[in-house]
Amino acid sequence: GAVVSQHPSWVICKSGTSVKIECRSLDFQATTMFWYRQFPKQSLMLMATSNEGSKATYEQGVEKDKFLINHASLTLSTLTVTSAHPEDSSFYICSASSGTSVIDTQYFGPGTRLTVL
Amino acid sequence: ILNVEQSPQSLHVQEGDSTNFTCSFPSSNFYALHWYRWETAKSPEALFVMTLNGDEKKKGRISATLNTKEGYSYLYIKGSQPEDSATYLCAFRSSASKIIFGSGTRLSIRP
Repeated sequence: GAVVSQHPSWVICKSGTSVKIECRSLDFQATTMFWYRQFPKQSLMLMATSNEGSKATYEQGVEKDKFLINHASLTLSTLTVTSAHPEDSSFYICSASSGTSVIDTQYFGPGTRLTVL
Repeated sequence: ILNVEQSPQSLHVQEGDSTNFTCSFPSSNFYALHWYRWETAKSPEALFVMTLNGDEKKKGRISATLNTKEGYSYLYIKGSQPEDSATYLCAFRSSASKIIFGSGTRLSIRP
């Protein structure tokens, strides 16, 4: 149980285009979803936290107009990288939790490798 | 600036040997510490969540301890097996709902 899928697993796009990444909880209701970014040889960096039906809370330094997060249902959250540039190339990974407490387990998707040419 | 550090960055261990590694985190505003195992090409998998100073958790051959006063947690693996090869991540959660991950310890088990 507690499986999270992420799609696509990798994507290559041209500079200036937008890319949407989907994160789905397959067998539980995800009250909270998290989006992370990981640059090579660095740790997972939290970008934003979203609760179903409400606006995402972005971490300091993350542009909300560039990284659009939608959590419209209890099983789906999307991250759209708008007007992508080469510096947005990174590994993006989501996680989902059935609760809102800091001790609730996060279940991770397998991640998406984004390359912007 | 809150910082979570893991050491060592990488570790090579002979099959059958026991090993341990460290996660250091801020000792103030502590709420929880999570450990994850991340195998290559898979999703990170939750191992433990610890909240109280002195907590000890165990799952099979893997165990973890927590010292919130001095800001560290140890992860122990007893009798390492090839399937233990993975990157082990810790994540610190503070009262401000911050989530800060360490950069991980990459463990390789030699048969």
